[in-house]
Formats: sequence, structure tokens, C-alpha cells
Amino acid sequence: NAGVTQTPKFQVLKTGQSMTLQCAQDMNHNSMYWYRQDPGMGLRLIYYSASEGTTDKGEVPNGYNVSRLNKREFSLRLESAAPSQTSVYFCASRKPTGSSEAFFGQGTRLTVV
Amino acid sequence: AQSVTQLDSHVSVSEGTPVLLRCNYSSSYSPSLFWYVQHPNKGLQLLLKYTSAATLVKGINGFEAEFKKSETSFHLTKPSAHMSDAAEYFCVVSDPLNAGNMLTFGGGTRLMVKP
Repeated sequence: NAGVTQTPKFQVLKTGQSMTLQCAQDMNHNSMYWYRQDPGMGLRLIYYSASEGTTDKGEVPNGYNVSRLNKREFSLRLESAAPSQTSVYFCASRKPTGSSEAFFGQGTRLTVV
Repeated sequence: AQSVTQLDSHVSVSEGTPVLLRCNYSSSYSPSLFWYVQHPNKGLQLLLKYTSAATLVKGINGFEAEFKKSETSFHLTKPSAHMSDAAEYFCVVSDPLNAGNMLTFGGGTRLMVKP
């Protein structure tokens, strides 16, 4: 059972470069999320997709874009990377009920130099 | 709006002694509450969840949490710490009135276990 799969696991970018983080889930979940994790700040929501065909901004969306390609896949794009985007990025999915838990990928450690 | 405050950023205990990780939440409605654990360089694993059934919730690895609505708290406890419990712990709230079914995380508590 794969669950939530993120690629890549590690990435180093130069300032101004672009990249896309990929996420796929095989649990048939409607809702998908992108979080970033920084020391002492917990996980902060970047963007989410409540269902296929919809996306919305979270707490820290600036500098990012997302695409909900289909029900399985939700990608996060950095158009022009900045050092402030150095972080660990987590993708998650869950059923569309408030009581359901989220399942997380293993994370992508991104460094922007 | 929903929010979560984890009252201690670091907690240090000796192996075999009790663990208490404190969490207070703010929510406009009856929330669902979760505790997740993250071991170093790993993803997040669900420890336990509260979803308006019993107020005392049992989770994996001997952890428990009690939902106290009057105190808006959801503290995590374990009677006896083990070295393998050293990790970061996140308290998480989900408010059903929030659009997008969002989860809001606390800042995390790093648990250190001394031999």
C-alpha cells in the first residue's frame, strides 16, 4: 500500500529557478493538501484542494501555484524560488469529513541557495 | 477561525517517568482533534484522534489524550516514557465549519527522553 507518494525527496535549487513537487495518493481521497514545515512553526498550509477541480489558498500561498491534475495527483510549483522557500514540504490527503485523519507523504526537503 | 497552541516547545523526561504534552485549541464548533508524531527525518504518523465520542482517547504506543471542552484542552499523556518516544509531537484541530476541511497544526513539542 503506497498511500501518499511525494517526489523528489531532496532538491537543491538556485534562487530564481523553478520546480514542481509531485504528489499522488492511491486511497481515493477527495481532499489533498500541501504544507511546509519550518522549525518552531509546525506545519503551515500552502494550498489545498477540497475536491477534484478545485484549489484554494491556505495560510502561506505566496510564491506557489498548484494543480489538481486528477483525483490522485496534486502538484506544487515554485515559479521563481527564493531562499525563504527553503523548507520541508509535505503533501497530505484525507476523506472529506472533519473527523477523518490525514495521511502524509514522506516529505521533500528543499534548499534554495 | 480555528487555532492550536502547544504550550511547551520542548519537554524533557527520564525514561520510565510520565509524559505530559499540553495542547489548547480554539474552534467555532465541536472540533475533531488529533495528535501526530514525527520521528527525526520521517513523515507524520497519527497517534490518536478525538471525534466527539469518548472524551478519553487511547492511541498507539500507550499514549492517551483527554478532551476537555470546558478548558479547550487536549493534552497528550503516557504513563511511562520509552527512549523510542523521543520525537516531535503535533496537536491538530479540524473544524467542520471551515471550508476545505482544513487541518490546523500547533507549533510542535519536541520530546526528549533521558536514559
